[in-house]
Amino acid sequence: DAKTTQPTSMDCAEGRAANLPCNHSTISGNEYVYWYRQIHSQGPQYIIHGLKNNETNEMASLIITEDRKSSTLILPHATLRDTAVYYCIVRSYSNSGYALNFGKGTSLLVTP
Amino acid sequence: DGGITQSPKYLFRKEGQNVTLSCEQNLNHDAMYWYRQDPGQGLRLIYYSQIVNDFQKGDIAEGYSVSREKKESFPLTVTSAQKNPTAFYLCATQGNPYEQYFGPGTRLTVT
Repeated sequence: DAKTTQPTSMDCAEGRAANLPCNHSTISGNEYVYWYRQIHSQGPQYIIHGLKNNETNEMASLIITEDRKSSTLILPHATLRDTAVYYCIVRSYSNSGYALNFGKGTSLLVTP
Repeated sequence: DGGITQSPKYLFRKEGQNVTLSCEQNLNHDAMYWYRQDPGQGLRLIYYSQIVNDFQKGDIAEGYSVSREKKESFPLTVTSAQKNPTAFYLCATQGNPYEQYFGPGTRLTVT
């Protein structure tokens, strides 16, 4: 699996857009980019995924660079409830099915 | 309500005792996973099962055992052979190829 690099922590003011970067320079052609988040002491929650194209859903947008070596998760109007650890994961189907490799992620603090 | 149940939320055991963590799902998903999380760290894969009566070791299976006798249930036993069992344990199922659903987790403390 491709390794990902994320900043350890970020701050964002409530109501502003939160832009969370992720580098995955060794990503291969069949690997998807996934984003999950984990609110303190809860199980992770799926946010969004993408392969090549930019994606948007009700929670967030995912922007993937043309060379696919990096991506950005955008929370358009951050709220206090978006304070969580955000994980960027690069994965394809393998012998362990779709098991995910979670790194340490980015701890996002949304402030009033 | 559809979902994943893990019980109990907090579990305390004495060193040297085996303990079984429960994971039950009513989502009708075939694949199930067990992860372990230590403070300030990401999740690490312990065991996974893609179908009933079949399971495979993950990255850190030593000191753990599982069974998958029913589609709905994937219990994890932490044995006395696990040297550092105190951790947050998370069970997950695979809905579609792109999304895993996680339970609320069990926080195990062994003293």
